[in-house]
Amino acid sequence: ETGVTQTPRHLVMGMTNKKSLKCEQHLGHNAMYWYKQSAKKPLELMFVYNFKEQTENNSVPSRFSPECPNSSHLFLHLHTLQPEDSALYLCASSQDLGARQKLFFGSGTQLSVL
Amino acid sequence: GNSVTQMEGPVTLSEEAFLTINCTYTATGYPSLFWYVQYPGEGLQLLLKATKADDKGSNKGFEATYRKETTSFHLEKGSVQVSDSAVYFCALMINAGGTSYGKLTFGQGTILTVHP
Repeated sequence: ETGVTQTPRHLVMGMTNKKSLKCEQHLGHNAMYWYKQSAKKPLELMFVYNFKEQTENNSVPSRFSPECPNSSHLFLHLHTLQPEDSALYLCASSQDLGARQKLFFGSGTQLSVL
Repeated sequence: GNSVTQMEGPVTLSEEAFLTINCTYTATGYPSLFWYVQYPGEGLQLLLKATKADDKGSNKGFEATYRKETTSFHLEKGSVQVSDSAVYFCALMINAGGTSYGKLTFGQGTILTVHP
């Protein structure tokens, strides 16, 4: 148990659906991240939030919309996704931004887009 | 740009065998280096790290030495166990002068399976 909880664990959605992924941490961390893990590809950083403010958007398509209402919660809103968006979406947190930070990862949401 | 290259997997070993998973990197700055492990059905966990040249990270019998001259951070374990079966990711983070945004750059991962 890393202290970072993601729900749901699995999600199947059609291309016209709207769904949201949730991430929660009670580690007192100030920075939160979304990563995408596709089969046979390196992990890709999607978004970074620090003190609820987005500090990084790694050229992610607008059909992915993050929301960070407070330092403990991070959402990823999904709409009109494509089959190639099927992947494991990992949330992570760290005490702060900066070099040498240890990231704590959730177990991920396995997303399948039909 | 920054990139991490890991040896192709999957790697299959018998229990108590010696493990090496190769990792090399290219970086525009001076990176910290990490190994993360992902057990089945779980998220990534930090296994070990090294923040400067010649540092050796170690944890749970795993070791990796930061080799600046060969830009490598190979993971080794002298005697693997069935419970070590997992996916192993090498990663780097640039030690920028200011914030580095926690921007880890990962390798593609290496699947390790250990048989009894």
